[in-house]
Amino acid sequence: AQRVTQPEKLLSVFKGAPVELKCNYSYSGSPELFWYVQYSRQRLQLLLRHISRESIKGFTADLNKGETSFHLKKPFAQEEDSAMYYCALSGGADGLTFGKGTHLIIQP
Amino acid sequence: GAGVSQTPSNKVTEKGKYVELRCDPISGHTALYWYRQSLGQGPEFLIYFQGTGAADDSGLPNDRFFAVRPEGSVSTLKIQRTERGDSAVYLCASSRDRGQGTDTQYFGPGTRLTVL
Repeated sequence: AQRVTQPEKLLSVFKGAPVELKCNYSYSGSPELFWYVQYSRQRLQLLLRHISRESIKGFTADLNKGETSFHLKKPFAQEEDSAMYYCALSGGADGLTFGKGTHLIIQP
Repeated sequence: GAGVSQTPSNKVTEKGKYVELRCDPISGHTALYWYRQSLGQGPEFLIYFQGTGAADDSGLPNDRFFAVRPEGSVSTLKIQRTERGDSAVYLCASSRDRGQGTDTQYFGPGTRLTVL
């Protein structure tokens, strides 16, 4: 069965500090990995996907198949980055499998 | 353009009652998904439609849950004999097509269901 684990429920960092949100997955094949973000009072939206290999709002994430990880990183946190972040996996089945989410708080 | 919309935004019902939740996907999106998000959890997949047909309903928890999409656009999630454990936010998402790879899913604002 496929599973996504986000070990941190809450992560608090100061503005300007580096951010790393952890995501580990369990899947026997070749998954596609995503990061979704939900800002306060807004709907869930796609932040980035591993297949695009792009940087969005300064965030990057690299798929590490050896460690089955897809950690989200940003070198310098900004206050507007405060939000709920969800790691998700698609294994070819049609729905996404989400982690429980990490609440990121950026302190001024 | 208009995003995915869901109605109602909030629904309070009593245990044992029947409820219907509606989703209007982005125009032209052939794929539609329903998820359920309980407090403190990530969204949990329920069912996926490609056009009018349910291509994958493996996430529906039991036979009290049913969903339709009769014209390949609007979808309705139906819950019979509601239980307190059904209380959650029900999310709908749509994507352009399955095609090659996994298309981006665009989410609606959700319907918060409370079963008293």
